[in-house]
Amino acid sequence: AQRVTQPEKLLSVFKGAPVELKCNYSYSGSPELFWYVQYSRQRLQLLLRHISRESIKGFTADLNKGETSFHLKKPFAQEEDSAMYYCALSGNNQGGKLIFGQGTELSVKP
Amino acid sequence: EAGVAQSPRYKIIEKRQSVAFWCNPISGHATLYWYQQILGQGPKLLIQFQNNGVVDDSQLPKDRFSAERLKGVDSTLKIQPAKLEDSAVYLCASSPSRAPGYTFGSGTRLTVV
Repeated sequence: AQRVTQPEKLLSVFKGAPVELKCNYSYSGSPELFWYVQYSRQRLQLLLRHISRESIKGFTADLNKGETSFHLKKPFAQEEDSAMYYCALSGNNQGGKLIFGQGTELSVKP
Repeated sequence: EAGVAQSPRYKIIEKRQSVAFWCNPISGHATLYWYQQILGQGPKLLIQFQNNGVVDDSQLPKDRFSAERLKGVDSTLKIQPAKLEDSAVYLCASSPSRAPGYTFGSGTRLTVV
């Protein structure tokens, strides 16, 4: 079964602290993994995708096929990082269909 | 470029009533998706169009939900009759091809009372 699991509903950290939002997936083939972010009162937007291997707003995520994980990390959290973060998976030959996790709310306190 | 447009932003209806949502994708995008996001959950795909044809509607509750994209551009999603459990945000997204990493609209928040 295809599934994305985000074990934490809420993650609260202080400004300047490191952040790691966990994502585990279940998929039998070679999936493409994404992180989407939704800031307050804004639309859902793509943050990064594993094939790009890029850093966006200081966030990085590495696909670990052995552990079937795609954790999102940032060394120093900023207050403007407070948002809902969704991990998503797309399988090959699925026409772009995304399977989302339940989301993790990140709260960065001053 | 202009983003994905959706209307209305909010809708409150009574159970057993009908409701329709409208989506205008980014110009030239052939693929259009409708997702349902229930409070506290991630979005779930309801239906996917490629131009005016349905690619995937396996998770669409066809006894009450319908969707169309007659000219391969705008799309409407309809619920008739609505149930309490249909309360959710309905998101539309579009893509130039059948590839993920696409753009979402702001969504329509439906409350069924």
